[in-house]
Amino acid sequence: GENVEQHPSTLSVQEGDSAVIKCTYSDSASNYFPWYKQELGKGPQLIIDIRSNVGEKKDQRIAVTLNKTAKHFSLHITETQPEDSAVYFCAAWSGGYQKVTFGIGTKLQVIP
Amino acid sequence: EAQVTQNPRYLITVTGKKLTVTCSQNMNHEYMSWYRQDPGLGLRQIYYSMNVEVTDKGDVPEGYKVSRKEKRNFPLILESPSPNQTSLYFCASSPGVGGVYEQYFGPGTRLTVT
Repeated sequence: GENVEQHPSTLSVQEGDSAVIKCTYSDSASNYFPWYKQELGKGPQLIIDIRSNVGEKKDQRIAVTLNKTAKHFSLHITETQPEDSAVYFCAAWSGGYQKVTFGIGTKLQVIP
Repeated sequence: EAQVTQNPRYLITVTGKKLTVTCSQNMNHEYMSWYRQDPGLGLRQIYYSMNVEVTDKGDVPEGYKVSRKEKRNFPLILESPSPNQTSLYFCASSPGVGGVYEQYFGPGTRLTVT
């Protein structure tokens, strides 16, 4: 089955700096890669996603890049703010958009 | 308001006592799924359902059952809970059709089995 590895597990940045979280996947048939933000006491919330036929996607301060050949994708947050502090999860969908495998999560701390 | 609801939010029970965690969505979504979240392991998929009466195993289905008799509901059943099922559980739904797979998560159910 699919295996998703996520790095780093914790990340501290100064407010205004950029943060990058990386994930690799094993199943070359995986074709949809969402990123979720989970705040304390809440369920994960989708922040950005990318499909296998796209190399990069941006939404304001957030961007995701996908390298299908290397089977890795990354989340980039620019101009970080304290409210960006949360746990971020990557995921990969396989089996024709049926099974979902998550990374273990990255706890991001933005220091004011 | 479009949402996924779970009940109960918190549950403490004893080993072997059957329990059901309910999940309901009001968005007419085709796809629903259950996850458990454990420290250091992220979210792991337990079961998913592509539509009514269609369910399939995720990565950690042992000890769990599900049913999908109605489109809006997807209950998670633990027939004989054990302490290793102590976890935070999330239900999620997604349109699942038309190339739209964004998942909406419920608020979570924290289960403790003693």
